[in-house]
Amino acid sequence: EPEVTQTPSHQVTQMGQEVILRCVPISNHLYFYWYRQILGQKVEFLVSFYNNEISEKSEIFDDQFSVERPDGSNFTLKIRSTKLEDSAMYFCASSGTGTQAFFGQGTRLTVV
Amino acid sequence: AQSVTQLGSHVSVSEGALVLLRCNYSSSVPPYLFWYVQYPNQGLQLLLKYTSAATLVKGINGFEAEFKKSETSFHLTKPSAHMSDAAEYFCAVTRTGTASKLTFGTGTRLQVTL
Repeated sequence: EPEVTQTPSHQVTQMGQEVILRCVPISNHLYFYWYRQILGQKVEFLVSFYNNEISEKSEIFDDQFSVERPDGSNFTLKIRSTKLEDSAMYFCASSGTGTQAFFGQGTRLTVV
Repeated sequence: AQSVTQLGSHVSVSEGALVLLRCNYSSSVPPYLFWYVQYPNQGLQLLLKYTSAATLVKGINGFEAEFKKSETSFHLTKPSAHMSDAAEYFCAVTRTGTASKLTFGTGTRLQVTL
């Protein structure tokens, strides 16, 4: 069964450093998403991406965040200058034309 | 704006017993509702979804949920719990029918005991 793959599974970074979280969505999907879950809190929507541009974003997704589809297969989330409060599990998801999103297993980001 | 409330952060049932996980929603427009399951160290997997067709929705692994507009509820049930059902369950709502801007509940951890 096709799946969304995220790398790395766990990343530790120092405050102020840039991080790039990587995702390989399901190959024929058109819509891509990032969500995050701070420990003990709800899963929160960050951004959706379609046709090579951001289609929706939440208030969390400020200028520190950016997304890119650098080639035909990868979808990345970049955090420019990480803060302690960016520590969370980040989930990538993709969907086709239907309503079902397929989520990756997540990247746990720890900012120290 | 839409939101979901999951009552009970932890639910424990015996193997073979009925599973009932509660979700109430708030939405200013007809909602699209979802239940996701997260097994340890894994991503979120869609169990079932309500998209304004039948009010009783059947999902994977024997789970089902009923959309009750009068009660603004979308509770998840399974007649007989299995040890493999132990996981975290999330209710989610969106107004778009896609996976964009899903609003998740806080989750319910289901424990299944012998």
